[in-house]
Amino acid sequence: AQSVTQLGSHVSVSEGALVLLRCNYSSSVPPYLFWYVQYPNQGLQLLLKYTSAATLVKGINGFEAEFKKSETSFHLTKPSAHMSDAAEYFCAVTHSGGYQKVTFGTGTKLQVIP
Amino acid sequence: SAVISQKPSRDICQRGTSLTIQCQVDSQVTMMFWYRQQPGQSLTLIATANQGSEATYESGFVIDKFPISRPNLTFSTLTVSNMSPEDSSIYLCSVPSRGSSYEQYFGPGTRLTVT
Repeated sequence: AQSVTQLGSHVSVSEGALVLLRCNYSSSVPPYLFWYVQYPNQGLQLLLKYTSAATLVKGINGFEAEFKKSETSFHLTKPSAHMSDAAEYFCAVTHSGGYQKVTFGTGTKLQVIP
Repeated sequence: SAVISQKPSRDICQRGTSLTIQCQVDSQVTMMFWYRQQPGQSLTLIATANQGSEATYESGFVIDKFPISRPNLTFSTLTVSNMSPEDSSIYLCSVPSRGSSYEQYFGPGTRLTVT
């Protein structure tokens, strides 16, 4: 079984401040982890992914995430928030195997305050 | 990557009617997924559509309510039948990436409102 917990359904940061969105996972096998972003009225777009290579993963738009097995975490960070980062962010988990069922977290809506 | 389009992009429907949502992919794929995103909630997998076989439904979703067609490797439809206001959601289709990265590519979604 696998699951994802995102702490904080809403996060507000000032423009230029650090963005930290939290994700903890549970998986009985080595996980593959993803962060997706959903802008208003759009589908989901992949930000970054962890698939058992480097634990620090860099994605698009300046975002990065670090896989910490001991903490079962995969938090998303960005050093300096931009107004265009306002969106909803979903953490997701799957694992290797023939059937790529993905479990999504409940999402965190990021608000960037000018 | 894959480019996915969905039709319609949004619709407002009356209770008791049905709506068919189309999903078109720009390349051939074996598996296509259909998700529901209820207001303020995360994505829930409805079913997996494989070409040439019956769709596989997740717990809580049944074929009579959400019939799926998969006539070829680039197209699928999801029908929401006998709709009620509780069916108001965004419906998204997705396809897995090629290779072993296990990421998915998503369509833009269909925003359904049932009155």
